[in-house]
Amino acid sequence: EPEVTQTPSHQVTQMGQEVILRCVPISNHLYFYWYRQILGQKVEFLVSFYNNEISEKSEIFDDQFSVERPDGSNFTLKIRSTKLEDSAMYFCASTYNYEQYFGPGTRLTVT
Amino acid sequence: QQQVKQSPQSLIVQKGGIPIINCAYENTAFDYFPWYQQFPGKGPALLIAIRPDVSEKKEGRFTISFNKSAKQFSLHIMDSQPGDSATYFCAARKTGGGNKLTFGTGTQLKVEL
Repeated sequence: EPEVTQTPSHQVTQMGQEVILRCVPISNHLYFYWYRQILGQKVEFLVSFYNNEISEKSEIFDDQFSVERPDGSNFTLKIRSTKLEDSAMYFCASTYNYEQYFGPGTRLTVT
Repeated sequence: QQQVKQSPQSLIVQKGGIPIINCAYENTAFDYFPWYQQFPGKGPALLIAIRPDVSEKKEGRFTISFNKSAKQFSLHIMDSQPGDSATYFCAARKTGGGNKLTFGTGTQLKVEL
């Protein structure tokens, strides 16, 4: 069964450093998303991406964040200058129409 | 208006019991309501979903009941098993824009033997 994959599973970085989180969405899906989940809290929407552009973004997704689909399979989230409060699980998701399928997540720890 | 309110925060049932988790929403532009199951350290897994043109949907031991006029929906787990112990999130999707999901706050379910 096709699934969303994410790398790395865990990323530790120092405050102020840039990180890139990588995702491979399900191959025939058209919409791609990043969500984040701070430990013990609900899943929060960050950004959606369709037809090679951002279709919607949340207030969390400020100028420090960017997304890219550099080729036909990968979808990346870049955080330019990480803050302590960026520590969270980051989930990539994709959908063809309605059902959104989530990847296993990347645990980002900012020290 | 974008919130989805979920209750209870946590729930303990005996094996074979029927836990019920409730969600309520305000935004009538929501048009798709999925439930996700999440185990510790894992991503949310789509369990079952409903659209507002039906009042109930059943898949295996999982049933969604939907009350459009009350703007509420709930998840019932029949014959619950210890392996069902997980966190359950309801969500809602607003059509248009990025089709993002808005999640409830989650319910930690524990099924005891």
